Amino acid sequence: QKEVEQNSGPLSVPEGAIASLNCTYSDRGSQSFFWYRQYSGKSPELIMFIYSNGDKEDGRFTAQLNKASQYVSLLIRDSQPSDSATYLCAVNMREGRGGSNYKLTFGKGTLLTVNP
Amino acid sequence: DAGVTQSPTHLIKTRGQQVTLRCSPKSGHDTVSWYQQALGQGPQFIFQYYEEEERQRGNFPDRFSGHQFPNYSSELNVNALLLGDSALYLCASRSTGAGEKLFFGSGTQLSVL
Repeated sequence: QKEVEQNSGPLSVPEGAIASLNCTYSDRGSQSFFWYRQYSGKSPELIMFIYSNGDKEDGRFTAQLNKASQYVSLLIRDSQPSDSATYLCAVNMREGRGGSNYKLTFGKGTLLTVNP
Repeated sequence: DAGVTQSPTHLIKTRGQQVTLRCSPKSGHDTVSWYQQALGQGPQFIFQYYEEEERQRGNFPDRFSGHQFPNYSSELNVNALLLGDSALYLCASRSTGAGEKLFFGSGTQLSVL
């Protein structure tokens, strides 16, 4: 069974620190990777996506992908209390060619708490 | 530009009943997926609709069915409700010709008593 694994946390960091969130996936053929942020009682919000090995930066967020190790991570620099949320790693384990064959497999999420 | 909209926001049903949830995709999107999110879990893929057909299905029983209309909106139907069907049901949309980013609606919280 194709899976996405995340540490459930909670991960607690002080304000201004770097938060590091990790994710591993089982399907070596996976092509695209996403990080969603979900506040309590709300729906997931896409914050980062990455397709190629290496780093991708967007503001305070950096996504890192290592396909050989089947590992993807999210770094949040200068963490703020407003970053406190559950972070969901999602992987597109595409099961066919063509734009209509697409589904995301999610991890259980890591709860991040940023302490003022 | 309206995002993905879902209705109703909350619903309470009893075991054995049937429920229909509705979703309107983001403007310009043609593909709709449904996910179930139990408390403390990540969303689980139910199925995806494109061109009014179910294109992919997750590990959900036939009690879960859906439909996509010509205007790309979608419905999720669940028959013979079980207590375990209590969850947040999320609709997500994307444009097949514009990348892989999936956008979620605010969800329908279903409680089965």
